[in-house]
Amino acid sequence: EDQVTQSPEALRLQEGESSSLNCSYTVSGLRGLFWYRQDPGKGPEFLFTLYSAGEEKEKERLKATLTKKESFLHITAPKPEDSATYLCAVQAFGNEKLTFGTGTRLTIIP
Amino acid sequence: DTEVTQTPKHLVMGMTNKKSLKCEQHMGHRAMYWYKQKAKKPPELMFVYSYEKLSINESVPSRFSPECPNSSLLNLHLHALQPEDSALYLCASSHPDRLAKNIQYFGAGTRLSVL
Repeated sequence: EDQVTQSPEALRLQEGESSSLNCSYTVSGLRGLFWYRQDPGKGPEFLFTLYSAGEEKEKERLKATLTKKESFLHITAPKPEDSATYLCAVQAFGNEKLTFGTGTRLTIIP
Repeated sequence: DTEVTQTPKHLVMGMTNKKSLKCEQHMGHRAMYWYKQKAKKPPELMFVYSYEKLSINESVPSRFSPECPNSSLLNLHLHALQPEDSALYLCASSHPDRLAKNIQYFGAGTRLSVL
């Protein structure tokens, strides 16, 4: 069975304090690993998808990386508007289903 | 444009009511999904439609009845719900055929309260 574990569960940072979120996974043939951002009461917003070990994607202050066992979401010099829950999900080949982790609640303090 | 539109945004219903949630996308996606999300939990898959056919039903109680009238629309019919069914209901869509893609785009959700 596919599994995704995210850590930490919650993270509080000062504005400008860089850090990383972790997503560890086990999957029977990775088709893709997905990062989403979710604000309270809203639907998840797609950020990145990664397909193979060594791949990296960047968008503004966010950078996602992938190895064969885990993915990191690096946040550089975060701003208060980066506060949200960040969800990681994996999809296996031959499976339409996304398996989500429980998320990391990120709070950026001004 | 990666917009998935869900209506209504909020819904309050009694346990004897019948109501429907609606989801619409115009991205040409041929897979559509219903998820249920409780507070501080990740989304849980309920149903998947692929090319307007139900392909996954995650053992959801029959008081939830999905319908896919065409490739752009997805409905979720609700009947005789329980208070524990109160949650955020999310719709998503993706294009399942594109190799190495299949990115699911989510709507803003319907906040459902069952009294």
